[in-house]
Amino acid sequence: QSVLTQPPSMSGAPGQWVTISCTGSSSNIGAGYDVHWYQQLPGTAPKLLIYGNNNRPSGVPDRFSGSESGTSASLAISGLQAEDEADYYCQSYDSSLSGSVFGGGTKLTVL
Amino acid sequence: EVQLVQSGAEVKKPGESLKISCKGSEYRFTSYWIGWVRQMPGKGLEWMGSIYPGDSDTRYSPSFQGQVTISADKSISTAYLQWSSLKASDTAMYYCARSDYFDSKTYFDYWGQGTLVTASS
Repeated sequence: QSVLTQPPSMSGAPGQWVTISCTGSSSNIGAGYDVHWYQQLPGTAPKLLIYGNNNRPSGVPDRFSGSESGTSASLAISGLQAEDEADYYCQSYDSSLSGSVFGGGTKLTVL
Repeated sequence: EVQLVQSGAEVKKPGESLKISCKGSEYRFTSYWIGWVRQMPGKGLEWMGSIYPGDSDTRYSPSFQGQVTISADKSISTAYLQWSSLKASDTAMYYCARSDYFDSKTYFDYWGQGTLVTASS
């Protein structure tokens, strides 16, 4: 069981808006620690998508955005495209484990 | 451009030792942390531990403490992940990744291409 909980799968049609949730606890997201998001395309290494809750590295489209509230965080993808079909992972810091923790990942299917 | 290049795929028998590597280039290797992340077949990402090559400060996830050893040779900008006795359950893809910090703001901005480790009799 992952420390951060994500829905195992989600789907959406091209052009739609989807949000992927990431639920933690008082020792990670709820403690105010930053949440970061990664995209892993099939057969490739993860890629940083969002850092510090809602900052995009250079080259990441503004269709991707992040938010955080209480013990949860969300990744929103607007104008869904076929190339967005991938696994998405949230990551934060956990004070009880004294290190990084990842969500279990969400497989996004573009219908 | 920042690059992390990992060593090639390995096939070993349970009980054998193994050391895989991750070479950084195009940035100051001693000024950033290198983390190791495991991905078992069909599963998610798990942080194993991180090292700061500047002073070899090393932190482990409780789940991996005592199971692996993380080290670095700053003279050749390379970090390592090693096992003294592999188990079949160590079969996985292993990624190295760079981070600015080791604290509540830690995130991994550059990743290696991954090293597939297969431990099978």
